[in-house]
Amino acid sequence: DTAVSQTPKYLVTQMGNDKSIKCEQNLGHDTMYWYKQDSKKFLKIMFSYNNKELIINETVPNRFSPKSPDKAHLNLHINSLELGDSAVYFCASSSDRAGTDTQYFGPGTRLTVL
Amino acid sequence: GQSLEQPSEVTAVEGAIVQINCTYQTSGFYGLSWYQQHDGGAPTFLSYNALDGLEETGRFSSFLSRSDSYGYLLLQELQMKDSASYFCARGSTLGRLYFGRGTQLTVWP
Repeated sequence: DTAVSQTPKYLVTQMGNDKSIKCEQNLGHDTMYWYKQDSKKFLKIMFSYNNKELIINETVPNRFSPKSPDKAHLNLHINSLELGDSAVYFCASSSDRAGTDTQYFGPGTRLTVL
Repeated sequence: GQSLEQPSEVTAVEGAIVQINCTYQTSGFYGLSWYQQHDGGAPTFLSYNALDGLEETGRFSSFLSRSDSYGYLLLQELQMKDSASYFCARGSTLGRLYFGRGTQLTVWP
């Protein structure tokens, strides 16, 4: 039944480590996104993929590398984690990339960097 | 820029009506959306306006005035479960959504 799922839900790790977050959607959507929500609840787009092709990179440091093995999956790998990376990361999907369609969000991954 | 302005907090009592305003910058505007987020939860879509006017969905309505770069979300017959953060979001090119900083709505009994 789950439309957009993410794993893990919680991730606690040390500075300098590398970690990955996975996202899957079963809505048949062509476009997927990664958002970062900070401790003040500010929600900011990071990346967007359309049919496995990167279409938005919103000036995110290159320690963050998204990968889309197919249009139903979008993963996020983060190298050399920093304290400032602590946030909730949301995956989302939509049926088009025109900016007019509803985006469906996953439950979020709360990343804590110690 | 991509900034959107909305109040940080609003409080109201059960059964009341509350309006959450949002102003935005106009470059590359593709419409205004509203999302609700409960504490610990994911943002969920409420409403979308591409053109001027009012969109009604049950107890929630959203309004847009493109000439004024302004919109609002109207919540009627407030219930305790409506206590949440509400975000306006401006659509832009390639599916980008730029979010406001959110309005924390607290509904009192």
